[in-house]
Amino acid sequence: NAGVTQTPKFQVLKTGQSMTLQCAQDMNHEYMSWYRQDPGMGLRLIHYSVGAGITDQGEVPNGYNVSRSTTEDFPLRLLSAAPSQTSVYFCASSYGQLNTEAFFGQGTRLTVV
Amino acid sequence: QQQVKQSPQSLIVQKGGISIINCAYENTAFDYFPWYQQFPGKGPALLIAIRPDVSEKKEGRFTISFNKSAKQFSLHIMDSQPGDSATYFCAAMSGKLIFGQGTELSVKP
Repeated sequence: NAGVTQTPKFQVLKTGQSMTLQCAQDMNHEYMSWYRQDPGMGLRLIHYSVGAGITDQGEVPNGYNVSRSTTEDFPLRLLSAAPSQTSVYFCASSYGQLNTEAFFGQGTRLTVV
Repeated sequence: QQQVKQSPQSLIVQKGGISIINCAYENTAFDYFPWYQQFPGKGPALLIAIRPDVSEKKEGRFTISFNKSAKQFSLHIMDSQPGDSATYFCAAMSGKLIFGQGTELSVKP
């Protein structure tokens, strides 16, 4: 079982460039979410989705866009990268509120120069 | 503002000792309180979780203590081992999962 797959694992961007971080899960989970991890800040929720076609903002949504066209995929888009977006990004999925264990991907380490 | 506050930021414990990590929250709508463990280079993984209708949950060497009136919960690791060295996150859920700042635990042999 693949679980939650994130691509790429590493990425270097120049300020102002755009890119999409990919996240796919094969567990038929309804809930998917994106977090960023920074030293001393823990994991902060960027955006989340409770099902296909439904997304909502988390704690730190500015500078990021998401869409959920299928149950399996939840891409995170950076439209104009900034150095403040240098971080490790994690995608997570879970069945929903009744079974709320979140399964995480391996992360994407993004550096914006 | 941080909805879930975690302390300490780092913790050093001798092998065989007890590791204690504390968390506090403000939102009384939270109804699920998990702890996640993260090893370097890996994503977090669920360790143990509790719901607010119980005051304690134990799984092996790991125990969650929950104080609903104080809006606090803590993780106790008994007989800590070097293999427990990792970063631990508390979290709380009410429709979305919110994490604390993390505690870097180092267990010395």
